[in-house]
Amino acid sequence: AQSVAQPEDQVNVAEGNPLTVKCTYSVSGNPYLFWYVQYPNRGLQFLLKYITGDNLVKGSYGFEAEFNKSQTSFHLKKPSALVSDSALYFCAVRDMRHSGGYQKVTFGTGTKLQVIP
Amino acid sequence: DVKVTQSSRYLVKRTGEKVFLECVQDMDHENMFWYRQDPGLGLRLIYFSYDVKMKEKGDIPEGYSVSREKKERFSLILESASTNQTSMYLCASSLFLGRFGDEQYFGPGTRLTVT
Repeated sequence: AQSVAQPEDQVNVAEGNPLTVKCTYSVSGNPYLFWYVQYPNRGLQFLLKYITGDNLVKGSYGFEAEFNKSQTSFHLKKPSALVSDSALYFCAVRDMRHSGGYQKVTFGTGTKLQVIP
Repeated sequence: DVKVTQSSRYLVKRTGEKVFLECVQDMDHENMFWYRQDPGLGLRLIYFSYDVKMKEKGDIPEGYSVSREKKERFSLILESASTNQTSMYLCASSLFLGRFGDEQYFGPGTRLTVT
């Protein structure tokens, strides 16, 4: 079974400071990892993904994420937070090992990011 | 850009009513999904479809059914709405089943209230 944990329900950060939203995962094989963002009253938008290769993945809006296999983590980061980054962030995982049929994506419970002016 | 649209942003229905939620995508994606989003529970997969007229149960299919008569359209049906189905419903699409690294594209969501 695969799972995702987002240990913080909410993260508060001052505008201009670096931000980190944490995510850890558990899969049997190797993972595909995703970050999505949900702005108020809108659907989820894809931010970035890790498939293979470089452990540092760059995505939309200046976000990046670092894949750490030994710590089974995929934390989302941004060097300088903007007020407009305030939103709900979801980490998601899929097991790369395909045993037949549809290998669903498992989403975390979400972390609310609040950037304070 | 991929566009996924949902028929309603807000919907209020009475207990026992039959409810239809419609989703349309315009990028010729094979896969389509229905999730419900509840605070503290994240997204839970209700049903998905990987081809026209094909459907598979997700994690919480009870009380729901789906229909995919055309590739671009995926409908979620609540046969007899109950108050515990009050939730945000999100539709999504992605390329095709064999490409497991593909991201999903989401619609804006339908907030359903069952009274």
